[in-house]
Amino acid sequence: GEDVEQSLFLSVREGDSSVINCTYTDSSSTYLYWYKQEPGAGLQLLTYIFSNMDMKQDQRLTVLLNKKDKHLSLRIADTQTGDSAIYFCAETFTDKLIFGTGTRLQVFP
Amino acid sequence: GAVVSQHPSRVICKSGTSVKIECRSLDFQATTMFWYRQFPKKSLMLMATSNEGSKATYEQGVEKDKFLINHASLTLSTLTVTSAHPEDSSFYICSASTGMGVETQYFGPGTRLLVL
Repeated sequence: GEDVEQSLFLSVREGDSSVINCTYTDSSSTYLYWYKQEPGAGLQLLTYIFSNMDMKQDQRLTVLLNKKDKHLSLRIADTQTGDSAIYFCAETFTDKLIFGTGTRLQVFP
Repeated sequence: GAVVSQHPSRVICKSGTSVKIECRSLDFQATTMFWYRQFPKKSLMLMATSNEGSKATYEQGVEKDKFLINHASLTLSTLTVTSAHPEDSSFYICSASTGMGVETQYFGPGTRLLVL
């Protein structure tokens, strides 16, 4: 079946950049997504990238897509303590969302 | 806008009992609602898709008699875990969609179920 992989944990210092990586298997996905999950809250769609794009920037967020390697990354510039959360990448497969395992980002002062 | 609530947020039950989880779209009408299950250190797994007024479509491997889904109105869907067992303990998340496209899907905060 479709598989989306992420590393489980990332720890960064406040003010540094965070890079969360994701690999996926379905090359037919039209869009790829990044979601943020904070404790007690639902998943929040952060950003998404169309599959024919290489990069998308949205304020502090930069998404890079390497279709050849099926690799997606999310870079958070100037990481803040409020960015601490679990980040999920997701691809679509037959109109369904297939999520990665999630990366827990911990930001320390 | 686009708020989805779930109730209860946390529930503990005895093995063999049934548990109902509600998912509500508070400020919009949801034509489609989705139910996911999240295991520790694992991704969210789609369990079923439900459209208002019709039977839910279950993913492969999900027992429809075990996980009963009702989508009686455009703002409410329920998931009932019947005859719960400890292996059903998990985090259940719903999402509600306003229309076409993944971008229209809004997620609830989840329900933690613990079966003793």
